[in-house]
Amino acid sequence: GIQVEQSPPDLILQEGANSTLRCNFSDSVNNLQWFHQNPWGQLINLFYIPSGTKQNGRLSATTVATERYSLLYISSSQTTDSGVYFCAAASGGSYIPTFGRGTSLIVHP
Amino acid sequence: NAGVTQTPKFQVLKTGQSMTLQCAQDMNHNSMYWYRQDPGMGLRLIYYSASEGTTDKGEVPNGYNVSRLNKREFSLRLESAAPSQTSVYFCASSGGPPSAEQYFGPGTRLTVT
Repeated sequence: GIQVEQSPPDLILQEGANSTLRCNFSDSVNNLQWFHQNPWGQLINLFYIPSGTKQNGRLSATTVATERYSLLYISSSQTTDSGVYFCAAASGGSYIPTFGRGTSLIVHP
Repeated sequence: NAGVTQTPKFQVLKTGQSMTLQCAQDMNHNSMYWYRQDPGMGLRLIYYSASEGTTDKGEVPNGYNVSRLNKREFSLRLESAAPSQTSVYFCASSGGPPSAEQYFGPGTRLTVT
């Protein structure tokens, strides 16, 4: 099955800083999502983005399917951005996503 | 519109006890999933149901059974709980192909002593 790797595993920022999270996948994808797991454990949908670029407020995401990676950009980070960011991707005939191990983000005030 | 709901939110079991985790969705989705989340491991698929009446094993199905009761409900059963099943369990649903965006429930934190 598809392999999904996320980097960096951990990230610590000061409030106001920008960051880029990366998701590499081993096969062409038909399904790619980014999630934020908040400190209370809730999984929040950020982007459904098998290809192209999307923006939602301070967050944006780009998937370059031909080069097998996706990037999540967080601008002007806030303490409420803290948590774990997961990428999940599916390929081939399966639409069932495989999750990466996540990037743990801490934003200090 | 509640999305995906799960019960219970927390549960403590003794080794060998059984229990059923309940999941329901009100988005008219065809597909439903059960995942477990362990520290540092991301989410791993236990079982899924592509449509009403079908279920299939995922990556870590041993020790679990599932029932797709109807289009809305998908339950996960532990017949004889073991400490290795201590985890956080998430249910998800999606509309299925071509757009398979998943939506998750709030999770059940299970401890087996």
